[in-house]
Amino acid sequence: EVQLVESGGGLVQPGRSLSLSCAVSGFRFDDYDMHWVRQAPGKGLEWVSAITWNGNNIAYGDSVKGRFTISRDNAKNALYLHMNSLKSEDTALYYCVKRKGGYDSDGYFDLWGRGTLVTVSS
Amino acid sequence: EIVLTQSPGTLSLSPGERATLSCRASQSVSSNYLAWYQQKPGQAPSLLIYGASSRATGIPDRFSGSGSGTDFTLSISRLEPEDFAVYFCQQYGDSPRTFGQGTKLEIK
Repeated sequence: EVQLVESGGGLVQPGRSLSLSCAVSGFRFDDYDMHWVRQAPGKGLEWVSAITWNGNNIAYGDSVKGRFTISRDNAKNALYLHMNSLKSEDTALYYCVKRKGGYDSDGYFDLWGRGTLVTVSS
Repeated sequence: EIVLTQSPGTLSLSPGERATLSCRASQSVSSNYLAWYQQKPGQAPSLLIYGASSRATGIPDRFSGSGSGTDFTLSISRLEPEDFAVYFCQQYGDSPRTFGQGTKLEIK
């Protein structure tokens, strides 16, 4: 079955760190770029970060740049997001998302996980 | 970055009616790389439309996308009960990828 399963969310105090994982199955993970997208409670979607299939190119949204680190382990079929210096505004459901393909025309997201909730609060 | 503005914020219609949702970009979307996603309560978003007008696999033909440049539309020809959800547009032609704020389609 093709699926993305996030884990690692929870309640964390402001200024602390947290790491998220995404376990991938059902497709050849090392063929695809992967992203993290988040959704604050009752709000819209915000793109967070992206990593190419081989990990050589990485990008971050301005709101998390310098605090979050995306990585992947193709041998383990896993995507990660390490979050430092967390703020209350980072509270959100974090989705692991697969890009359709490598061409520019395939830059949309064709598979989403169910998300893992991160709550930043004292 | 490209700002996407969706309207209306909430659309109240009855099953069987036609829905028209708008997504307007602050600048032209490169190559019309515009996608639409549907999100039902408690679920992750799922892909409906890509390339402004191509339906994703398994999406019924009552869903259609149109538009180009800065103005895009998602139409649902005859609303089914399962279509009442939140719809997001997203541009993937420029970095960073950006989403609209969403349109909630609710039962009247």
